[in-house]
Amino acid sequence: DAGVTQSPTHLIKTRGQQVTLRCSPKSGHDTVSWYQQALGQGPQFIFQYYEEEERQRGNFPDRFSGHQFPNYSSELNVNALLLGDSALYLCASSLKTANYGYTFGSGTRLTVV
Amino acid sequence: RKEVEQDPGPFNVPEGATVAFNCTYSNSASQSFFWYRQDCRKEPKLLMSVYSSGNEDGRFTAQLNRASQYISLLIRDSKLSDSATYLCVVLTGGGNKLTFGTGTQLKVEL
Repeated sequence: DAGVTQSPTHLIKTRGQQVTLRCSPKSGHDTVSWYQQALGQGPQFIFQYYEEEERQRGNFPDRFSGHQFPNYSSELNVNALLLGDSALYLCASSLKTANYGYTFGSGTRLTVV
Repeated sequence: RKEVEQDPGPFNVPEGATVAFNCTYSNSASQSFFWYRQDCRKEPKLLMSVYSSGNEDGRFTAQLNRASQYISLLIRDSKLSDSATYLCVVLTGGGNKLTFGTGTQLKVEL
């Protein structure tokens, strides 16, 4: 049973560029949430997708956007990258009807230079 | 004020010691509570859920005090393999959002 898969594992981008991160949820899960974890901090909620719609959003600017596909996989897009966007981006999948069964992927480490 | 507050540590303890971590949360409407463990440069993994009645899993005991909005984790007989960052996590936003504390770093030494 595959867990949550994220790609790529590492990425280096230049300020001002755009990036797309990808996530495949755990088999049987229908909900995907994205988190940003800066060095020395806990993960911060970016947004959650269910039924291909953004259901809830954290305190992140519009430069952060996402998408969920019919197969439940998801993308996180970040435009106009800033140095402060350097972080570990974590995807967590869950079943909408189960509030506690979150499974995290191993993350994408983004470095903006 | 942060939604979930933890002492960042680090806690350096000898093998076999008992160590306690504390956490407070600000949103009284929070629904569920957890402790996650995160190893260096890895993803967070669920350690245990936390219930008002208190719950135990081997050497780990978690406790929730809803009136004080306080969560605790006790680790007995610490092992070297317990060295990690322990994240206090609260489920809010109608069950859609996990809010994490900064994490408490534990180092268990010989």
